[in-house]
This record gives sequence, C-alpha cells and structure tokens, in this order.
Amino acid sequence: NAGVTQTPKFRVLKTGQSMTLLCAQDMNHEYMYWYRQDPGMGLRLIHYSVGEGTTAKGEVPDGYNVSRLKKQNFLLGLESAAPSQTSVYFCASSFTTPGTEAFFGQGTRLTVV
Amino acid sequence: GQQVMQIPQYQHVQEGEDFTTYCNSSTTLSNIQWYKQRPGGHPVFLIQLVKSGEVKKQKRLTFQFGEAKKNSSLHITATQTTDVGTYFCAGPWIQGAQKLVFGQGTRLT
Repeated sequence: NAGVTQTPKFRVLKTGQSMTLLCAQDMNHEYMYWYRQDPGMGLRLIHYSVGEGTTAKGEVPDGYNVSRLKKQNFLLGLESAAPSQTSVYFCASSFTTPGTEAFFGQGTRLTVV
Repeated sequence: GQQVMQIPQYQHVQEGEDFTTYCNSSTTLSNIQWYKQRPGGHPVFLIQLVKSGEVKKQKRLTFQFGEAKKNSSLHITATQTTDVGTYFCAGPWIQGAQKLVFGQGTRLT
C-alpha cells in the first residue's frame, strides 16, 4: 500500500521556468492538501481540495495553481518559478473534514536558482 | 495568517529531562491534532483530541486539550534520542473550516 506518493523528490529550476508537482494517493481520500515548509515557518497551506474537481486557496496561494481532475491525484503547478519558491513541498490527504488523520507524502525539495 | 501560537519554537534538553510544547488559539477549536516530523522526514500523525479537558497518553507522551478548547499541550517524560524532531499542532482553527492548518512547530533537540 503506497499511501501518498509525491513526484519528483528533488528538482532544481531556473527562475521563470514552470513545473508541476504530482501527488497521488491510493486510500480513496476525499481531502488533499499542498503545503510548503521553510525553516522557522512550519507548514503553510498553499491550496487544498475537498473532492474531485474542487480546489480552494490556503494561506499562501500566490504563484501556485492546482488541479484535481481525478480523485486520487492533486497537482501543484508553478507557472513562473521564483527564488522565493525554494522550499520543501508536502502533499497530504485525509478521508473527510480535518478531524481525521492526515497522511503525508515524502516531500519534494525544490530549489529555484 | 495563522490563528494559533505554538511555543516554544525551539527546545534543547538533556536526555532524561522532560519536555512540553504548547498550542494556543484565540478561537475555540472543534478538535486538535498533533504530528511529529523527524529530521529530514515528513509529518506523522500522533493523536487527535476532541473533548474539552481531554487527556490522552501514549507511553511517555501526554496530550491535553484545554477546558475551553482554546489550547493544548504535549508533554514528554524522560526524553530519549528517539524523541528528537519537530512537533506540530494542527486543526481547523475556525469552526467548520475544511482546511487543516498547522502551528509553527516546536523543534526538540
């Protein structure tokens, strides 16, 4: 049972380049989340989804877009990467409302130069 | 911004000493979760508290939810090297909110 899988695990981008981070879960979870983690800042919510075809903004959505075309996948896009987006990105999923355990992927370390 | 304050941000202890981290909210919480993240790893769920005044124990870890459901604490007795990591509280900080938002975390070394 894979749980939550993120790809890629590492990536280096040049400023202005675009990329998509993929999150896949095999637990039939309704809720999916994207977070970024920076030193001393904890986990900050970028975007989230409460079901297939839905997305919503979190605390720090600027510069990112997301899509949830299939229930098991949640994609995070960077249209024009900036050095400020250098971070570790985590995807998470849970069954329903945030009163149930969230499962995290292993993370993606992104460096924008 | 975040509506919860987690303190302290860092804590260094000698093995065998106790450790406590606190999570404080200005609003009443419907529930609160605690996660642990080992260095280089991803957050892992520890426990969820729902009831006012609730206390739960996991071996040397004791979790408490305040009577007013505005604060929570995690206490570790006689710390071990395996306890090293960052501890986060998390929850829907607004009643009925659908998003899971994390506190800033307490890094234990």
